[in-house]
Amino acid sequence: DGGITQSPKYLFRKEGQNVTLSCEQNLNHDAMYWYRQDPGQGLRLIYYSQIVNDFQKGDIAEGYSVSREKKESFPLTVTSAQKNPTAFYLCASSISQPNTGELFFGEGSRLTVL
Amino acid sequence: AQSVTQLDSQVPVFEEAPVELRCNYSSSVSVYLFWYVQYPNQGLQLLLKYLSGSTLVKGINGFEAEFNKSQTSFHLRKPSVHISDTAEYFCAVNEGTGRRALTFGSGTRLQVQP
Repeated sequence: DGGITQSPKYLFRKEGQNVTLSCEQNLNHDAMYWYRQDPGQGLRLIYYSQIVNDFQKGDIAEGYSVSREKKESFPLTVTSAQKNPTAFYLCASSISQPNTGELFFGEGSRLTVL
Repeated sequence: AQSVTQLDSQVPVFEEAPVELRCNYSSSVSVYLFWYVQYPNQGLQLLLKYLSGSTLVKGINGFEAEFNKSQTSFHLRKPSVHISDTAEYFCAVNEGTGRRALTFGSGTRLQVQP
């Protein structure tokens, strides 16, 4: 079955450590996205990539980094520069044409920084 | 720039009663509109979408929404809710131009009581 796989589902880290969240899709979608979810704030866009080897900052990119070396993969690194990293992180993908924006989501990764 | 306002953060309702979750958007161009549902600690699942054509859109699980361009609204309705409808619901908009990423509202928590 086609879908988006995020790992790990739960992650605990100490303050000051970098963390990388994995996102893999086998939907053959060109575009991939990372959103952050906090209670009462909905989803906020961190980074997105429309094509391999290219990505753009979203609304809250500070303290995060990404890469897009393969079409199937879009890992997110939460760096020590991110002031409040504890959150639920959602990866999504979409087709480029037609560009309706419809997103397909993974199950999410919950990061807790101790 | 596009934005979405979900007017109610929580909506309590009794089982088998009707419900309406409100969504207003702000955009200067034609848009694509979506409703997603999220169960605890899971990703988002598409309920329905408006791309063009009929302003009344039917989705999964008996939900429907009406696109009203003059009022810039896209309210979600269900004539009779079930306990299993308890979840968080997100409205989202895409202008189809520019950065081509969905903008989400802050979410509405639907709590169905027996």
